[in-house]
Amino acid sequence: GQQVMQIPQYQHVQEGEDFTTYCNSSTTLSNIQWYKQRPGGHPVFLIQLVKSGEVKKQKRLTFQFGEAKKNSSLHITATQTTDVGTYFCAGPGGGSNYKLTFGKGTLLTVNP
Amino acid sequence: EAQVTQNPRYLITVTGKKLTVTCSQNMNHEYMSWYRQDPGLGLRQIYYSMNVEVTDKGDVPEGYKVSRKEKRNFPLILESPSPNQTSLYFCASSWGTSGDYNEQFFGPGTRLTVL
Repeated sequence: GQQVMQIPQYQHVQEGEDFTTYCNSSTTLSNIQWYKQRPGGHPVFLIQLVKSGEVKKQKRLTFQFGEAKKNSSLHITATQTTDVGTYFCAGPGGGSNYKLTFGKGTLLTVNP
Repeated sequence: EAQVTQNPRYLITVTGKKLTVTCSQNMNHEYMSWYRQDPGLGLRQIYYSMNVEVTDKGDVPEGYKVSRKEKRNFPLILESPSPNQTSLYFCASSWGTSGDYNEQFFGPGTRLTVL
């Protein structure tokens, strides 16, 4: 079945440093979504990418969707303590466009 | 307020005692889904529903049942819970998965412990 791999599993940074998490799918995706989960909370939608090569920005966050629509990345510039949490990517597939597969997530911790 | 609600939020039960976790959304979403979250394994989809009376298996459906009799409700049923179903469960809803409006709205989670 479809696999969505995310690296790294953990990332610890000093406040002000940049952070990047990468997501790779075993199949081509019609779209990819990114979510953030704060410790003790539930996942919250950040963004959806649909087009090949698409780049979207949200303040200090930059999201990219690969040309082949099989990989994506999330880059945070100048991390802040409010960025702490687990970042997940997710994409439909696995034999059905209604089936959603999440990566295992990257846990980001930020040292003030 | 647009939201997904789950009940109960916390549950401790014993092996074999049937239980239901309710999920309700007030956004008129067609798509609803259940996930379990375990350390190191991320979010894994249990079941999903594309619309009323239409459900299908996710990646880890064994030991679970669902029903979608009404658009707003999507209960998760554990007929005979076992300790390996101890987990954090999330319900989510969205307009769809492959169109333009696929944002999944998640409920607050249900922490289930099966002894």
